[in-house]
Amino acid sequence: QITLKESGPTLVKPTQTLTLTCTFSGFSLSTSGVGVGWIRQPPGKALEWLALIYWDDDKRYSPSLKSRLTITKDTSKNQVVLTMTNMDPVDTATYYCARLVVVAATYYFDYWGQGTLVTVSS
Amino acid sequence: SSELTQDPAVSVALGQTVRITCQGDSLRSYYASWYQQKPGQAPVLVIYGKNNRPSGIPDRFSGSSSGNTASLTITGAQAEDEADYYCNSRDSSGNLVVFGGGTKLTVL
Repeated sequence: QITLKESGPTLVKPTQTLTLTCTFSGFSLSTSGVGVGWIRQPPGKALEWLALIYWDDDKRYSPSLKSRLTITKDTSKNQVVLTMTNMDPVDTATYYCARLVVVAATYYFDYWGQGTLVTVSS
Repeated sequence: SSELTQDPAVSVALGQTVRITCQGDSLRSYYASWYQQKPGQAPVLVIYGKNNRPSGIPDRFSGSSSGNTASLTITGAQAEDEADYYCNSRDSSGNLVVFGGGTKLTVL
């Protein structure tokens, strides 16, 4: 059974750094073709991809947020951590982590966490 | 702006067939995957690859692709299919992830 769960603060102040942890079970992030991504969704708006880390530690970031994001993994703990610096009220959103599977031209997020709502406010 | 374009809203009569589309240059090289999201819930994968359904997804959901357009078809839409639907793929470089802007499906 594959599960993912996001954890972190529910409220951050503007200019602060957000640190979110995705703790997963049922798969290994050292398995070829597997990754973990972060996706967010502001209230009432669309999904927005943020960052991705692959089994081989390759990392990818959304171009619009690249300067503010860092993604890391701890394979032994089955965790992926996302940090986002200089938080702003527009970053208020539900943040999801999800497992990515890559097979040739096929690329999909097959398991998602429940999401965690992060509010940015002073 | 998203590199994958979806119609913001689509409606279908109960029991009828509806097609939700996703357009983007990257879809000429990569398959789209499709997600269903109901209010207050996390997205759920419904179609991936050429036309694959995860376990538990009804067979009324199917996927297809032609040129730069991927389509999600629901044959015999049910009331419980009312939701937001998002497509997802790689970007044109193949290095990054993109999501479409989502389509709100209303079942009349």
